[in-house]
Amino acid sequence: GDSVTQMEGPVTLSEEAFLTINCTYTATGYPSLFWYVQYPGEGLQLLLKATKADDKGSNKGFEATYRKETTSFHLEKGSVQVSDSAVYFCALSDQNSNSGYALNFGKGTSLLVTP
Amino acid sequence: EAGVTQFPSHSVIEKGQTVTLRCDPISGHDNLYWYRRVMGKEIKFLLHFVKESKQDESGMPNNRFLAERTGGTYSTLKVQPAELEDSGVYFCASSRKGRIYGYTFGSGTRLTVV
Repeated sequence: GDSVTQMEGPVTLSEEAFLTINCTYTATGYPSLFWYVQYPGEGLQLLLKATKADDKGSNKGFEATYRKETTSFHLEKGSVQVSDSAVYFCALSDQNSNSGYALNFGKGTSLLVTP
Repeated sequence: EAGVTQFPSHSVIEKGQTVTLRCDPISGHDNLYWYRRVMGKEIKFLLHFVKESKQDESGMPNNRFLAERTGGTYSTLKVQPAELEDSGVYFCASSRKGRIYGYTFGSGTRLTVV
């Protein structure tokens, strides 16, 4: 079945450091890929998405490129801020799967940015 | 517009008791989803409503879980009787008809079974 694997956390970085959170996926069809973020005490928020190979999603300085050849969707940011501290989830949705629009999530990666 | 509202935000119950979680989706959103995150594991899909109909309930773990969405508005998820392994965070999300990219999640209900 479809699945998402993302790097284990927690990740601790200093402010202005470069961030990469790895995400790879397995899917039988042509999935859409997402990054969600959960700030402390809040719900999951869509950070960015990509719906086909070579698409790049971007938002708030974060970027991720849909790489079909490596089945990856790594999240990057050039200079993190303390306010980026949160849990980040990689997810996919495969409309061709039996679960329709359901999202398959990774385990989440906790990011802590220190001043 | 108001977001997706879930309550309670926290619930601590004893094994064997019954708990009912509620989700109020964004007004006008036909699609309503329940997900669960057990400690240290992935967020897992539980089920999907389209209006009041269960479109997909393949993720429901067992028959101790019952979800309803009477009238196609708010939804409840009842766990009866609760077991220790049911502890986790239960998320609800909603989206407009046909919009797979427009999920809005609630803040979740943290359920602890002791």
